[in-house]
Amino acid sequence: GAVVSQHPSRVICKSGTSVKIECRSLDFQATTMFWYRQFPKQSLMLMATSNEGSKATYEQGVEKDKFLINHASLTLSTLTVTSAHPEDSSFYICSATGTPSSPLHFGNGTRLTVT
Amino acid sequence: GENVGLHLPTLSVQEGDNSIINCAYSNSASDYFIWYKQESGKGPQFIIDIRSNMDKRQGQRVTVLLNKTVKHLSLQIAATQPGDSAVYFCAENSNFNKFYFGSGTKLNVKP
Repeated sequence: GAVVSQHPSRVICKSGTSVKIECRSLDFQATTMFWYRQFPKQSLMLMATSNEGSKATYEQGVEKDKFLINHASLTLSTLTVTSAHPEDSSFYICSATGTPSSPLHFGNGTRLTVT
Repeated sequence: GENVGLHLPTLSVQEGDNSIINCAYSNSASDYFIWYKQESGKGPQFIIDIRSNMDKRQGQRVTVLLNKTVKHLSLQIAATQPGDSAVYFCAENSNFNKFYFGSGTKLNVKP
């Protein structure tokens, strides 16, 4: 149980375009979803927290207009990287939890390469 | 974000030996901690968790120890196997139900 599916697993886009990443909880209702970014050989850095039906809360230094997060249902959250640049190339990972203070369940990540 | 773990050490162990991976956290208000395993190119996988009202918890081949006095977590893996090779992260649940990750430890298991 507690499966989180993330799509796509890899995407290559040109500089200036936008990319949407989907995160779905397949067998539970995700009241809260988290988006992380991970650069090679580094840890996961929390970007934002989203609760179903409300605006996402962004971490300090994360541009909310660049990384648009929508959590329209209890099973789906999307992250859109707008006007992507090469420095946005990274591994983006979503996670979800059904109840507070319970384990996060992670998707398998999206490798974004901006050329 | 929270300051959980300050460096990324690498631990090499022989197959069959026990492994101990350490993590320091900085937020004394954190009350829930999780150890994750991450294999290359994949998302983190839950290993074991512990709440702040406990100081030890055991799972299958794994034990987590929590020392709140010095804000330290450890993960012990018994009889380490090649399949245990991965990067291990501790994560703390701080205010507002956010999880922050430490810098991680790479575990190399030599056959």
